[in-house]
Amino acid sequence: AQTVTQSQPEMSVQEAETVTLSCTYDTSESDYYLFWYKQPPSRQMILVIRQEAYKQQNATENRFSVNFQKAAKSFSLKISDSQLGDAAMYFCAYRSNDMRFGAGTRLTVKP
Amino acid sequence: DAGVTQSPTHLIKTRGQHVTLRCSPISGHKSVSWYQQVLGQGPQFIFQYYEKEERGRGNFPDRFSARQFPNYSSELNVNALLLGDSALYLCASSLADAGTLLGARGYTFGSGTRLTVV
Repeated sequence: AQTVTQSQPEMSVQEAETVTLSCTYDTSESDYYLFWYKQPPSRQMILVIRQEAYKQQNATENRFSVNFQKAAKSFSLKISDSQLGDAAMYFCAYRSNDMRFGAGTRLTVKP
Repeated sequence: DAGVTQSPTHLIKTRGQHVTLRCSPISGHKSVSWYQQVLGQGPQFIFQYYEKEERGRGNFPDRFSARQFPNYSSELNVNALLLGDSALYLCASSLADAGTLLGARGYTFGSGTRLTVV
């Protein structure tokens, strides 16, 4: 069974600094998607970034980028120039047949 | 364009009762998936429907059931509610079969229904 592990329950970053959130997953499949979602107190899951497993190039979306290491089954999220609005729960997710989520990392941004 | 719409936003039920949660997907989306998110945890997959057929089921008891209507909206039903069913229930829609890689691309979540069982 596929599992997703986020080993950092909480992280904190100073505004304008860079922070990296970790995620590892376990799968025997070769084709899949990996996602990072942001969940603010409003509860809605907002897609931050997506990575196709067959692509070697790391995905980038403005201040958000990933470090995808397929052999190591690692998928970390880097947030550059952190902003107060980045504060939220961040979930790493794996998708093949259904979506599997990690337990989440609560990110606090200090002014 | 309207996003994924879930109703109601909040609900309080008593143990043993039945509840129906509703989800309207983004216009044109044919796949709907349901998730349960217990406080402090990540969402857990319950069901996925595509073109009115069940395409996936998570590890939930038979008290949980769902269906998808011809207009692609969906209902999640939970019978004989337990205190442990208290959670945020999230619905997500996508254009294609969410079990495919194409369907995974446009996966969009609603804001959820907060169910409290007392």
